[in-house]
Amino acid sequence: GAGVSQSPRYKVAKRGQDVALRCDPISGHVSLFWYQQALGQGPEFLTYFQNEAQLDKSGLPSDRFFAERPEGSVSTLKIQRTQQEDSAVYLCASSIPQGARTEAFFGQGTRLTVV
Amino acid sequence: QKEVEQDPGPLSVPEGAIVSLNCTYSNSAFQYFMWYRQYSRKGPELLMYTYSSGNKEDGRFTAQVDKSSKYISLFIRDSQPSDSATYLCAMSAGNTDKLIFGTGTRLQVFP
Repeated sequence: GAGVSQSPRYKVAKRGQDVALRCDPISGHVSLFWYQQALGQGPEFLTYFQNEAQLDKSGLPSDRFFAERPEGSVSTLKIQRTQQEDSAVYLCASSIPQGARTEAFFGQGTRLTVV
Repeated sequence: QKEVEQDPGPLSVPEGAIVSLNCTYSNSAFQYFMWYRQYSRKGPELLMYTYSSGNKEDGRFTAQVDKSSKYISLFIRDSQPSDSATYLCAMSAGNTDKLIFGTGTRLQVFP
């Protein structure tokens, strides 16, 4: 596809359940970001990959959050033992450096509701 | 205090009005400044991208950056109902760095 694809679009999880969110970036995009967007808030950075290397995971809120991008393309964000405060939209973005300008393209997000 | 502050609105204006959206920030390391538009239940899409201080115009949209005041603005001329969305300012210190977003301002343009 032409854009960043995320799946599932919606996920309802019972508290304590593990979830896995998938991101298919734009083909050839080196950089991949995960953001968390709570209701009525702006996206907040979670983690950043350059190819398969996770270069920054400073935004992951706890050790229950884990992200991987083993082959430098598709990425998975995993949340273990989900809590109600994990309810949010999880956005994935990809980009490729283009000189002085780098545009990050966002997917539509996965809306996670923990009940 | 957040690194980026943005008035959440909502802002409601009539069609044809000039809209002014603003953000302030505290981190002097920020060099790249962006405005994203986000429609309901969609991902953010890039509207304007500015490096360092100055003005940039693209059609009905003008972005301004004043690094000395740590203040950025987005102006929308001749606003249209289709402009109704949430507008997010975002900034970064490096070209490939993580983006720091404002809260977003919800804009409604009524016919």
